[in-house]
Amino acid sequence: DTGVSQNPRHKITKRGQNVTFRCDPISEHNRLYWYRQTLGQGPEFLTYFQNEAQLEKSRLLSDRFSAERPKGSFSTLEIQRTEQGDSAMYLCASSWDPGEKLFFGSGTQLSVL
Amino acid sequence: GENVEQHPSTLSVQEGDSAVIKCTYSDSASNYFPWYKQELGKGPQLIIDIRSNVGEKKDQRIAVTLNKTAKHFSLHITETQPEDSAVYFCAAAPWGGATNKLIFGTGTLLAVQP
Repeated sequence: DTGVSQNPRHKITKRGQNVTFRCDPISEHNRLYWYRQTLGQGPEFLTYFQNEAQLEKSRLLSDRFSAERPKGSFSTLEIQRTEQGDSAMYLCASSWDPGEKLFFGSGTQLSVL
Repeated sequence: GENVEQHPSTLSVQEGDSAVIKCTYSDSASNYFPWYKQELGKGPQLIIDIRSNVGEKKDQRIAVTLNKTAKHFSLHITETQPEDSAVYFCAAAPWGGATNKLIFGTGTLLAVQP
């Protein structure tokens, strides 16, 4: 078990392009979360999954953002028509069950030019 | 909704001294209070957590205290070492129910001077 894995580690894109990030949670963890972190701030909740079901989405998650977790394993976060304000670190985290410890991956650093 | 305030934003200590970081929360339903350490270019790493049925928890040089009445909790690091230098985040949530989203503080940059 190597922990939560995120790819890519860095992504540079031009405004208006679409980007997709991948997260592989710790094996057998049922809960998977996406957070966003901007410079000098703590992580902010975006959305979470219980197995393959997306149970909650933050108001931060505009219509340009979509997340999936097919088959309850890995998850993808897609941002369409990127804007400069989307530049941030996108963090994935997983936990065994509700109420259990939350473990984070190393994140994907997105820069929108 | 929950709001978590964290102080100080920066903290500089000499190696071997103690460091204390304090957080307050607003939602009385919060029952889970983890602390994360984040090094440059890495994701947050869970270092210690406490639940509301416990007032204090210790793990080697790290301890966390919780005052539910005052809605504040603190991280204590004793005998600090240069490798303790990082950004520390507190968080709070009503954990274990239907909604599980940690609300984080704004972080404390700890610098341990050799």
